[in-house]
Amino acid sequence: EVQLLESGGGLVQPGGSLRLSCAASGFTLSSYAMSWVRQAPGKGLEWVSGITASGGGTYYADSVKGRFTISRDNSKNTLYLQMNSLKAEDTAVYYCARRTVAGRGFDCWGQGTLVTVSS
Amino acid sequence: QSALTQPASVSGSPGQSITISCTGTSSDVGGYNYVSWYQQHPGKAPKLMIYDVSNRPSGVSNRFSGSKSGNTASLTISGLQAEDEADYYCSSYTSSSPYVFGPGTKVTVL
Repeated sequence: EVQLLESGGGLVQPGGSLRLSCAASGFTLSSYAMSWVRQAPGKGLEWVSGITASGGGTYYADSVKGRFTISRDNSKNTLYLQMNSLKAEDTAVYYCARRTVAGRGFDCWGQGTLVTVSS
Repeated sequence: QSALTQPASVSGSPGQSITISCTGTSSDVGGYNYVSWYQQHPGKAPKLMIYDVSNRPSGVSNRFSGSKSGNTASLTISGLQAEDEADYYCSSYTSSSPYVFGPGTKVTVL
């Protein structure tokens, strides 16, 4: 079964750091571009960051540029999101998502991990 | 503030057809054939319903269809069913960002 499983969320103080992980199973991660998408409580979806299949290209939303870093370890079938200088407005459920091989939709999503930034 | 515009809510009776619009500009919806639609039930992860304007992933009901005209993309749900009640988000590639999502549309089955 194709599956994505996020971990690493939790409560962190403003200015703190957190690293999210996304473990892939049932498929070969190295064949797919991946992204992180977040959803603040009661709000809509926001694309956060993306990475090419090889890891050679990374992309960020303006709201997180310079603070978040996306990476992947294809040998471990795992995607990461390093989040630094966290702000209250970063509070959200963070989903990892797999991009379709052909096309630009996200055809597989994890269950999400909640990040709460609060003092 | 989303760069895409969707109606806040759309409703219909079982069996009816409804259409959700997603309006952008020539820098996103109108400039590329990279519009996707997602269904999200409360407390659940989003599910891809349509990608690249009109392509339906394997396993998605053919009651769901997508189209685009100019700067506006549309998702049509035909033969509306109770299980279709959910939030629906459009997404587009843009000239300044790989992805932008619309604010979402709440679909209610009367």
